[in-house]
Amino acid sequence: GAGVSQTPSNKVTEKGKYVELRCDPISGHTALYWYRQSLGQGPEFLIYFQGTGAADDSGLPNDRFFAVRPEGSVSTLKIQRTERGDSAVYLCASSLTQTSNEQFFGPGTRLTVL
Amino acid sequence: DQQVKQNSPSLSVQEGRISILNCDYTNSMFDYFLWYKKYPAEGPTFLISISSIKDKNEDGRFTVFLNKSAKHLSLHIVPSQPGDSAVYFCAGESPGGSARQLTFGSGTQLTVLP
Repeated sequence: GAGVSQTPSNKVTEKGKYVELRCDPISGHTALYWYRQSLGQGPEFLIYFQGTGAADDSGLPNDRFFAVRPEGSVSTLKIQRTERGDSAVYLCASSLTQTSNEQFFGPGTRLTVL
Repeated sequence: DQQVKQNSPSLSVQEGRISILNCDYTNSMFDYFLWYKKYPAEGPTFLISISSIKDKNEDGRFTVFLNKSAKHLSLHIVPSQPGDSAVYFCAGESPGGSARQLTFGSGTQLTVLP
């Protein structure tokens, strides 16, 4: 499995709970991106990592959302006090470098907040 | 403000005929455009791209045309095959900041009828 993997594939939670979504990028890819795709829409940028640091978090909707990539590989997107409006597919993508044009996407995690 | 627009949510085409998917953009800073294809329960997969300094790029059955003056691009698939049935996303890419951030359209569902 050389592609981007994401776990879990589906997550159902109750309003107000905390969730963590995990992304394993392609080995050797230094750039990692998180996107959110709502029903009927295209993916929307959330945050970008170059190595271990969040180089651009301008897409995070509010301070309930946070992401880490402590060792420059696996990344975790964390959502606190979930709301029904957070329900969406969360996509992770990686690229070889920050200047690579092509991003490789994982299958996504479908988050449902009841 | 939608920077990338795909005004046709769906398109049906007979097998063997040409499929034409359209995309309009407003952001003049985009220097690269990409088309992604998405099957249900999978992440988007890269299909074809074009630099803003070109007006055409061809790869097998897929050709992308860019009209910078009209801020319009299109994806042509000839001949269309049933396996091409998927959601197609157009994306613009700009080099702003430290990330090559993708801005997606809302997608067009292509159905190729056998």
